[in-house]
Amino acid sequence: GAGVSQSPSNKVTEKGKDVELRCDPISGHTALYWYRQRLGQGLEFLIYFQGNSAPDKSGLPSDRFSAERTGESVSTLTIQRTQQEDSAVYLCASSFLAGGQGETQYFGPGTRLLVL
Amino acid sequence: DAKTTQPPSMDCAEGRAANLPCNHSTISGNEYVYWYRQIHSQGPQYIIHGLKNNETNEMASLIITEDRKSSTLILPHATLRDTAVYYCIVRPYSGNTGKLIFGQGTTLQVKP
Repeated sequence: GAGVSQSPSNKVTEKGKDVELRCDPISGHTALYWYRQRLGQGLEFLIYFQGNSAPDKSGLPSDRFSAERTGESVSTLTIQRTQQEDSAVYLCASSFLAGGQGETQYFGPGTRLLVL
Repeated sequence: DAKTTQPPSMDCAEGRAANLPCNHSTISGNEYVYWYRQIHSQGPQYIIHGLKNNETNEMASLIITEDRKSSTLILPHATLRDTAVYYCIVRPYSGNTGKLIFGQGTTLQVKP
């Protein structure tokens, strides 16, 4: 595809339910990032993938959050037992490489999650 | 990663140049300056980046001071569609996962 895509675009769930958010990076991009943006706030880094491995998970807020990536392509962010404070926009970005040579990240439109 | 300081908000008249400043006084020699913007309800959009030389592309120009402690993003002819939050980010060239650390940015309001 031409850009990073994310699905669903909006998700409303009840407290305590599990949710899965999907990210399709730009074809050929080896690095993939998840960020979270609470209402009126800046972006917070969650996790970074290089290929299928995740060398940096330092931003995951709790063990209810996990992510995986298969085949250097699609990534899924899973939030278990959702809480109201999980309500936010979850953004995915990809880049051809990570870190070195100042690789540029391109963002998807985000998934807006509302936990009731 | 170096921290950046930006004014919280700015106004600009449509058709005029918008000059958005950013201070990054603790920037290291191997850190790039990146600019992104976020239009309401959209994901961040890459604008431009640079190391020490001034850069220009179809969207904007980036002016970096000689000591690299500050920079200015210039939108030469602002339009109403340029109304957005603009983020200045510094990021290492290497030895880093590449994660971006976003501050609060500058909310640019372009007025007719």
